[in-house]
Parts: sequence; C-alpha cells; structure tokens
Amino acid sequence: DQQVKQNSPSLSVQEGRISILNCDYTNSMFDYFLWYKKYPAEGPTFLISISSIKDKNEDGRFTVFLNKSAKHLSLHIVPSQPGDSAVYFCAASDSGGSNYKLTFGKGTLLTVNP
Amino acid sequence: GAGVSQTPSNKVTEKGKYVELRCDPISGHTALYWYRQSLGQGPEFLIYFQGTGAADDSGLPNDRFFAVRPEGSVSTLKIQRTERGDSAVYLCASSPQLGVYNEQFFGPGTRLTVL
Repeated sequence: DQQVKQNSPSLSVQEGRISILNCDYTNSMFDYFLWYKKYPAEGPTFLISISSIKDKNEDGRFTVFLNKSAKHLSLHIVPSQPGDSAVYFCAASDSGGSNYKLTFGKGTLLTVNP
Repeated sequence: GAGVSQTPSNKVTEKGKYVELRCDPISGHTALYWYRQSLGQGPEFLIYFQGTGAADDSGLPNDRFFAVRPEGSVSTLKIQRTERGDSAVYLCASSPQLGVYNEQFFGPGTRLTVL
C-alpha cells in the first residue's frame, strides 16, 4: 500500500519554463513533507520541506505547496534549468509519532531541455 | 567536510551467500538510518540507530537482515543467505540528532546484486 504517490514517472520541460511535480499521500497522520533530489550514482539530497501548519514554503527557485484537504503537495521550479534534471522524491513523516521515519514516493524523473 | 560514505559501492554475490555493507556517517551525527531502494521504487526505511542502539528495526524485511553500530559511529548492515529479491541499492543516511526536522544526509548507496 503506497502511502506516498508520485503518479508521473517522468516530466520533460523546456529551460526557463516552470516545472511542476506532484505528490499525493493517503496517511492523514503525515504532517511534515520533504522533497529530495537525486542524481545518478549519488544519494538523495534534501531540497525543501513544509510543515502541515503552512500551505506554502519558498526557497529561491523552489516552492512547495501543500493542500491538506486534498492530501496533495506540489513542487514548483521556476525558472527550470538543465542542472535541475534529476529524479525528485516526495517524502512524508508523522512528526508526532515515528518522526524519524521518512516514507518516500517512487520519484519523478525531471528532464529540463536546453 | 566529508559526507556519508558507503562501501563497497557495488557488490555482486551469489544466492545464499552472506554480505556486509558498511556506512560511515558524518562525524558527530548521532542518528543513522538505513533505507533500501529497489528498482523503480523510492527509498524504503529499514532501521535507525540513535547512538549505539537500534531504536527501530521494524522495516527490516525478515530475520536474515541485521544491522549493528557498536561504537555509535560506523554501521554495518548484514544480510545472511542472500536471495535474488535482496538485489537493490542500500542507502545509509545520518543526521545530527534524531527527528524528522533534522536533515538526513544520504550516502551514495551500495548497489547489491544477487545472482
């Protein structure tokens, strides 16, 4: 049973345009969400996070939006750059329970074309 | 500074053999985590350590899997009687302290192939 779902295995965008990566979750106990980026042959690296008390968090070109009622979050990258090409994982945690454990989605491969 | 390192980077073994995978966390990080990433999947939690003790091993698939962290730093994931289904990338992460608000820094992983 996938508790964190990334339904788009891949996404291709043009350099300079917006990339939108989506993530859905089913566990209502999840209250902290993270995005990780992974290049081939490297481990995932933390990108941005959001707590359920917020609906938006911004860091430079990266913005994460959270819609709790829909159990949906999205990562926006504006403007997209070729160096953003990587696999993006959405992850979630129950900060009040097993707050050390991250549950990951399957990832979305983003390709930014020059 | 040095990040999380994992050795070996690749391990090929035969079904039924025993393997050990090593993780060197970032110096000073007290929390250490193991994840497994199978082909086409995201990382899946296996076990975590706070200091020397395995505080939660609920993600280990079965009793063929065991992990230790005897001195609170380096950790070894041990797999007995390997099976083809154990083939995956095994990721280690560490964080300064326990808790999701402390960023988990991942190593590059060990790719295990069981023939």
